[in-house]
Amino acid sequence: GAVVSQHPSWVICKSGTSVKIECRSLDFQATTMFWYRQFPKQSLMLMATSNEGSKATYEQGVEKDKFLINHASLTLSTLTVTSAHPEDSSFYICSAQTDGTDTQYFGPGTRLTVL
Amino acid sequence: QKEVEQNSGPLSVPEGAIASLNCTYSDRGSQSFFWYRQYSGKSPELIMSIYSNGDKEDGRFTAQLNKASQYVSLLIRDSQPSDSATYLCAVPNAGGTSYGKLTFGQGTILTVHP
Repeated sequence: GAVVSQHPSWVICKSGTSVKIECRSLDFQATTMFWYRQFPKQSLMLMATSNEGSKATYEQGVEKDKFLINHASLTLSTLTVTSAHPEDSSFYICSAQTDGTDTQYFGPGTRLTVL
Repeated sequence: QKEVEQNSGPLSVPEGAIASLNCTYSDRGSQSFFWYRQYSGKSPELIMSIYSNGDKEDGRFTAQLNKASQYVSLLIRDSQPSDSATYLCAVPNAGGTSYGKLTFGQGTILTVHP
């Protein structure tokens, strides 16, 4: 149980284009999903928290107009990196949590490379 | 003072030995504690959660919690080379953050050598 998937697992795109990453909870309802970014040899950095049906809450320093998050259902959240640039190249990881618990289950991550 | 603190290591143990990973936290009100394992290039994987003082065992893993000392540890018995990874201690709501957000320690790199 508690399986979280992400799609795609890796993506390469040209600078200036937008990329959408999907995060799905496969066997539970995720009232809250979290989006993280991790650069090589660095710690996980929380970007935003999203609750189903509500606007996402972004961490300080994260541009909400650049990283669009939609949590339209209890099993799906999406992160869209708009006008991606090479400095956005990173490992993006989502996690999901169900209501009433504080356990986070992580997806496998999406590796984004912007050329 | 960091809210969740771990020794970054690296910690190197021989195969078959016990690996001991330690974590301290600053918020006395913390109630839940998690250990995640992260292999290089992969996402974190939950391996243990603990909520009560004392020991919790799951296979080769034992989590130990001492709320009075604000200390949580993870013991890995009969360590295997496949246990080589970064181990992350995580505490939700640490430092007054909103519900559900995890505060991670900096992670301990464990290497198990044959």
